[in-house]
Amino acid sequence: SQQGEEDPQALSIQEGENATMNCSYKTSINNLQWYRQNSGRGLVHLILIRSNEREKHSGRLRVTLDTSKKSSSLLITASRAADTASYFCATDRQGAQKLVFGQGTRLTINP
Amino acid sequence: KAGVTQTPRYLIKTRGQQVTLSCSPISGHRSVSWYQQTPGQGLQFLFEYFSETQRNKGNFPGRFSGRQFSNSRSEMNVSTLELGDSALYLCASSLWGAGEQYFGPGTRLTVT
Repeated sequence: SQQGEEDPQALSIQEGENATMNCSYKTSINNLQWYRQNSGRGLVHLILIRSNEREKHSGRLRVTLDTSKKSSSLLITASRAADTASYFCATDRQGAQKLVFGQGTRLTINP
Repeated sequence: KAGVTQTPRYLIKTRGQQVTLSCSPISGHRSVSWYQQTPGQGLQFLFEYFSETQRNKGNFPGRFSGRQFSNSRSEMNVSTLELGDSALYLCASSLWGAGEQYFGPGTRLTVT
């Protein structure tokens, strides 16, 4: 079963708007990562946030982590058409030494 | 530096056959993980190798196997192919197993 569950499953917004995706997980983690996948291609690492961090920024990306609620959010500001992709969260469960991916959020940016 | 490469990129096989996929990690990365991606099941972890040793294995039947060579290159093999094995197989390398993963472009396997 998947550790992470993204919400929503699909999101469609206008170019220039902000996009927010959420990820919930079930067990204690060492870190949580977000990846982007363009249609049918390999995944690209976006950001890693450790369990003792609450917020991290990278360019137009902002990730938050709430370990008490076992949830994370990815915010993409000022979206562009090139941001159209699927976004996955992946968790590194304590003791597991492997990443478990969620089902992903399909983001569509309309021009 | 060069990224993760996977060969072949596309493959069509018949049920019952076997297939070997290859992955060359980023230079210096000793961890290689394999994932299967399908529309129905999403991204599922197959196994991870570190310094030629399998450290982790996902919930896949024994028909799925892999190995890693001393130069960190990895291969995965699927024997007695089934229609349900049709998927995108992704390889990822990293410095350590659950750290930042660098993915290859994938091998699209179609079983007919």
